[in-house]
Amino acid sequence: SQQGEEDPQALSIQEGENATMNCSYKTSINNLQWYRQNSGRGLVHLILIRSNEREKHSGRLRVTLDTSKKSSSLLITASRAADTASYFCAPPLHSGNTPLVFGKGTRLSVIA
Amino acid sequence: SQTIHQWPATLVQPVGSPLSLECTVEGTSNPNLYWYRQAAGRGLQLLFYSVGIGQISSEVPQNLSASRPQDRQFILSSKKLLLSDSGFYLCAWSRDRASGANVLTFGAGSRLTVL
Repeated sequence: SQQGEEDPQALSIQEGENATMNCSYKTSINNLQWYRQNSGRGLVHLILIRSNEREKHSGRLRVTLDTSKKSSSLLITASRAADTASYFCAPPLHSGNTPLVFGKGTRLSVIA
Repeated sequence: SQTIHQWPATLVQPVGSPLSLECTVEGTSNPNLYWYRQAAGRGLQLLFYSVGIGQISSEVPQNLSASRPQDRQFILSSKKLLLSDSGFYLCAWSRDRASGANVLTFGAGSRLTVL
């Protein structure tokens, strides 16, 4: 069944460095989303990329999507300590848009 | 603007006791509603979702149930809690599918500890 799997599970970098997180999914999608979760909080939507898009930018975020490989990546440039959080990719469970399924996420630590 | 409320924020319950978590959404109509659970080391698991009043889809068979008595109210229940029900429960909403957008807005979560 559909699931997003993030890699690596944990990532620790210095402030100012770039952080790259990868996501793989199993079945065809028409869009994929990325979310962020601060410890003990609800998730917050970051960006949505559609299946006909290869790359999308939002501020310091860059998301790519390769539907042939069923994979996506999230790049955070010039990271800050405030970027410390867990990051999740979310493909839809079924064809269509809903509901979304999440994996275990990538836990990013940005050290000042 | 739309807001989502989820309560209680924290609860500690004994094994075998009942559970009721409530979620309400304001500022929108006919939202899609979701319950997810986040247990230690297990990621975020979809439990239930609803596209309308009385329409509940269950993704994981277990001793939990969900109900949607009103358009913007979603309740997660259990008659008898198990230790394995401990976790962080998150309610979320999205606009209906006809709008084409399925961005989820999450509540602040309810942390359940079953002892």
